[in-house]
Amino acid sequence: KAGVTQTPRYLIKTRGQQVTLSCSPISGHRSVSWYQQTPGQGLQFLFEYFSETQRNKGNFPGRFSGRQFSNSRSEMNVSTLELGDSALYLCASGLASGANVLTFGAGSRLTVL
Amino acid sequence: DQQVKQNSPSLSVQEGRISILNCDYTNSMFDYFLWYKKYPAEGPTFLISISSIKDKNEDGRFTVFLNKSAKHLSLHIVPSQPGDSAVYFCAASAGTQGAQKLVFGQGTRLTINP
Repeated sequence: KAGVTQTPRYLIKTRGQQVTLSCSPISGHRSVSWYQQTPGQGLQFLFEYFSETQRNKGNFPGRFSGRQFSNSRSEMNVSTLELGDSALYLCASGLASGANVLTFGAGSRLTVL
Repeated sequence: DQQVKQNSPSLSVQEGRISILNCDYTNSMFDYFLWYKKYPAEGPTFLISISSIKDKNEDGRFTVFLNKSAKHLSLHIVPSQPGDSAVYFCAASAGTQGAQKLVFGQGTRLTINP
């Protein structure tokens, strides 16, 4: 069974640009959550999608957005990038909305210059 | 406001000894707790969990203890092995109707010395 796949694994952007990250959940998993990991902050919840609907949202500005497609694949977008957006962005899939045991992808490491 | 705290950024333990990782939380609505392990360049992997109706859950070398009155949980690894060297994240969730979200601690880097 393939795991959670995130693309791209690494990317470098400059301030003011926008970025789109992609996540393919485990086959059969319908819930996708996104987390941001920065040194000293641990993992911070961005949002969760289930059945193409955003079910929960963390405390991030509106520059952070996401969506989920009918095949459960998800994308997150960050617009007007700031230096502080440099982080590891992790996607996690779960069987159902609110699943506690999540399976994480390896992450997309974003560096903003 | 950090609702889940891991106050030790790092911990070093001799191989074969017991590793104890601690986690404190402030939200009394949390009713499910998990530990995840993360190796470099990989995503976190689920290790063990505990519901608030229990005070202990064991899985092989890993045991999680929950003290609800102190709002404290701990992960015991015994005996510790070199492959246990990783960053350990404590996480908690509050069950409500509909979506839940995991609140993670900052992580503790565990190093097992041979």
